[in-house]
Amino acid sequence: NAGVTQTPKFQVLKTGQSMTLQCAQDMNHEYMSWYRQDPGMGLRLIHYSVGAGITDQGEVPNGYNVSRSTTEDFPLRLLSAAPSQTSVYFCASSHYPPPGGSRQPQHFGDGTRLSIL
Amino acid sequence: AQSVSQHNHHVILSEAASLELGCNYSYGGTVNLFWYVQYPGQHLQLLLKYFSGDPLVKGIKGFEAEFIKSKFSFNLRKPSVQWSDTAEYFCAVKGGSARQLTFGSGTQLTVLP
Repeated sequence: NAGVTQTPKFQVLKTGQSMTLQCAQDMNHEYMSWYRQDPGMGLRLIHYSVGAGITDQGEVPNGYNVSRSTTEDFPLRLLSAAPSQTSVYFCASSHYPPPGGSRQPQHFGDGTRLSIL
Repeated sequence: AQSVSQHNHHVILSEAASLELGCNYSYGGTVNLFWYVQYPGQHLQLLLKYFSGDPLVKGIKGFEAEFIKSKFSFNLRKPSVQWSDTAEYFCAVKGGSARQLTFGSGTQLTVLP
């Protein structure tokens, strides 16, 4: 049981390049999400998914795309990297909450440190 | 909409000092509240959580938090900090039928040996 696995752990890109951050979980969690962590701003939600085939925007979705073709995988794509996207990215997953609230806190991956030059 | 405020951005303490980190949330209904910790170079880990019942919640590593509904607060406490508690601490809230957690901006705790 590996939990939430993110790859790569580190990446340096040039402005305008594209790349995909991978996230996989083996806990059969319905809910997956991507956050970025910037100094003094905590975690901000980029995109999330409540199940295969369903995605939605979070607080800061611009410049990022996601897809959820399987329950296990939730890749985050940067189509044209910009210096403002330099950040640490965390993927998280949990069981989708039943109506009325969640009793399942999210499991986090180890993060991907991304630098855009 | 739900929101979380952590007013202390950086706290510096000596070992054995007592700790209290503030967390205030904004949401009018039932909430689930969390404290996460991130040690240097590591991912977020859950310290403790509140869903219902006893408003005083005990978590791992000697941490506790008290939910005060009238003050919309969920402050984190530890009677005696250790050097190994140096980390960043995040408060998070999930209100009612909201689909995601909302995190505060974090508090960096530095414990001096």
